[in-house]
Amino acid sequence: EAGVAQSPRYKIIEKRQSVAFWCNPISGHATLYWYQQILGQGPKLLIQFQNNGVVDDSQLPKDRFSAERLKGVDSTLKIQPAKLEDSAVYLCASSLAPRWTSGTDTQYFGPGTRLTVL
Amino acid sequence: GENVEQHPSTLSVQEGDSAVIKCTYSDSASNYFPWYKQELGKRPQLIIDIRSNVGEKKDQRIAVTLNKTAKHFSLHITETQPEDSAVYFCAASTSGGSNYKLTFGKGTLLTVNP
Repeated sequence: EAGVAQSPRYKIIEKRQSVAFWCNPISGHATLYWYQQILGQGPKLLIQFQNNGVVDDSQLPKDRFSAERLKGVDSTLKIQPAKLEDSAVYLCASSLAPRWTSGTDTQYFGPGTRLTVL
Repeated sequence: GENVEQHPSTLSVQEGDSAVIKCTYSDSASNYFPWYKQELGKRPQLIIDIRSNVGEKKDQRIAVTLNKTAKHFSLHITETQPEDSAVYFCAASTSGGSNYKLTFGKGTLLTVNP
């Protein structure tokens, strides 16, 4: 079974520039998550999609971050304009479905995109 | 919202010894507690999880215990090996309708010395 795919793996940009990350979840997984992992900390949820709908974006800085999952499969996360404090690893994860539908909620993570903002 | 505290932040053991990592959570509604292992530059990988209807779960050298009254859970690794060296994250989740959210601890860097 193929895992969660992300690209690019690394990105270096200047502050105030824009950047986009792409995620392809495990086939058949309805739920997709974007996390921000700052060095030395645990992942922090930014946004959660169920199919192509947003179920939680309470921790997404909406003035500069946006995300979409138009066809309920791939997703993109965008930052515009970037700030120095956005330097982090951006992790995408997917799960089969929320627990209440299938009893399965294990999240599988992608390799992440390491963003450096100069 | 949920808050997860994890201790210690670093742990160094000799090969063959046991390692214990402890986490506390704040939301009594949390009912799912996974543990992830993250090697340097790699993705987090689930190693074990426990749900609120059980107090302990084992998988070979790894075990997790849960005390819902005290709102804490622990990861136990026995007979540690150098390849166990990694950062370990605990997490807790609650579920509400169609949404459940994982809140992670800050991680424990485990070093197993040969």
